[in-house]
Amino acid sequence: RKEVEQDPGPFNVPEGATVAFNCTYSNSASQSFFWYRQDCRKEPKLLMSVYSSGNEDGRFTAQLNRASQYISLLIRDSKLSDSATYLCVVNPTGTASKLTFGTGTRLQVTL
Amino acid sequence: DTGVSQDPRHKITKRGQNVTFRCDPISEHNRLYWYRQTLGQGPEFLTYFQNEAQLEKSRLLSDRFSAERPKGSFSTLEIQRTEQGDSAMYLCASSLGPGANVLTFGAGSRLTVL
Repeated sequence: RKEVEQDPGPFNVPEGATVAFNCTYSNSASQSFFWYRQDCRKEPKLLMSVYSSGNEDGRFTAQLNRASQYISLLIRDSKLSDSATYLCVVNPTGTASKLTFGTGTRLQVTL
Repeated sequence: DTGVSQDPRHKITKRGQNVTFRCDPISEHNRLYWYRQTLGQGPEFLTYFQNEAQLEKSRLLSDRFSAERPKGSFSTLEIQRTEQGDSAMYLCASSLGPGANVLTFGAGSRLTVL
């Protein structure tokens, strides 16, 4: 079983739609969780951290369910500029020795 | 400081040749990471440094791969006797150190082995 699993997509949604991605992780002792965004042929960039209580940043909402070991990302009112690959990222140790990335979920927002 | 710099951005080489990539991290970051990414996959951890000390190496890092960070600033990743399977994007990232989970990535060095 992969350490971090995501549906690769692609998710094709119209502008203005709400879209949600889920991600599961295998190590129950994992400490920190993130969503990174990666545009085509670019480097990954931090989108947001994921906290146990859930957190929101504008149109983006992240949730963590430790009991079920999954993380979600909700994007409301999708924009064309949201088209990218969204990488679910887990730090299994909490000491920043390394981050483990999922394969990413590709989102394509269309007119 | 403009972020993490990687050089070269693209490298095409023939199988069996050696290649070296350089990474210059953000100056105040003392942790430096190397990841590898192939098409359709997420970045895979290769190794990381705390200052000049290499603290962890993935089993993906065969004996043909060697990474150094001699003065705790820039790092090099060398691949000897390249194979076609080494074709990938090699990403460098840096962070402030223990407890600082956020990685800042460079634009990557894309390797094509013919």
